[in-house]
Amino acid sequence: DAKTTQPNSMESNEEEPVHLPCNHSTISGTDYIHWYRQLPSQGPEYVIHGLTSNVNNRMASLAIAEDRKSSTLILHRATLRDAAVYYCILFNQFYFGTGTSLTVIP
Amino acid sequence: KAGVTQTPRYLIKTRGQQVTLSCSPISGHRSVSWYQQTPGQGLQFLFEYFSETQRNKGNFPGRFSGRQFSNSRSEMNVSTLELGDSALYLCASSLDRTSGRGSYNEQFFGPGTRLTVL
Repeated sequence: DAKTTQPNSMESNEEEPVHLPCNHSTISGTDYIHWYRQLPSQGPEYVIHGLTSNVNNRMASLAIAEDRKSSTLILHRATLRDAAVYYCILFNQFYFGTGTSLTVIP
Repeated sequence: KAGVTQTPRYLIKTRGQQVTLSCSPISGHRSVSWYQQTPGQGLQFLFEYFSETQRNKGNFPGRFSGRQFSNSRSEMNVSTLELGDSALYLCASSLDRTSGRGSYNEQFFGPGTRLTVL
């Protein structure tokens, strides 16, 4: 069973908000939900993480469903530099998946 | 401070050979994790080391092994290489990624070693 499922790809116009969904129906009570992104030819980098409550930082916001079986990463204004593969991760289950490839259209 | 470094950046080997990859974590980080990344399978967890001990292991055959030294540097070894081992191997370090107790430290990834098996 996949631990997390994400759309393979998404597109967004520049300066528009982007909502990247993730389903994690097998999440346990102690699993934090993490988001990392991988720019071309680089290793993944941390974006945000949360447990139950919605979280905000300078890069993005994380909205977590009340039952914790899904979450949404929100980029408030997409820029060309946000084009990357975004991974929704349950580190405690050591599962990364294949992520969502985000294309930002100028 | 310097980031995670991995050497070599690129490697070409032939089937049946073995290979050793090296990872130097960020100074002060004691946890080192290894991942395999392929186009079809995405990122897959190999193993994690903390204080020279393997703390967690992914679902990979015994041909994949690793170790960590007292200075937290880590190596991974793949023996009897197969064509399917061609991948980007990523190393990540953190202060301490405590599994199962809900605490978390950000993982910092290196640029990876691109292994091609011919």
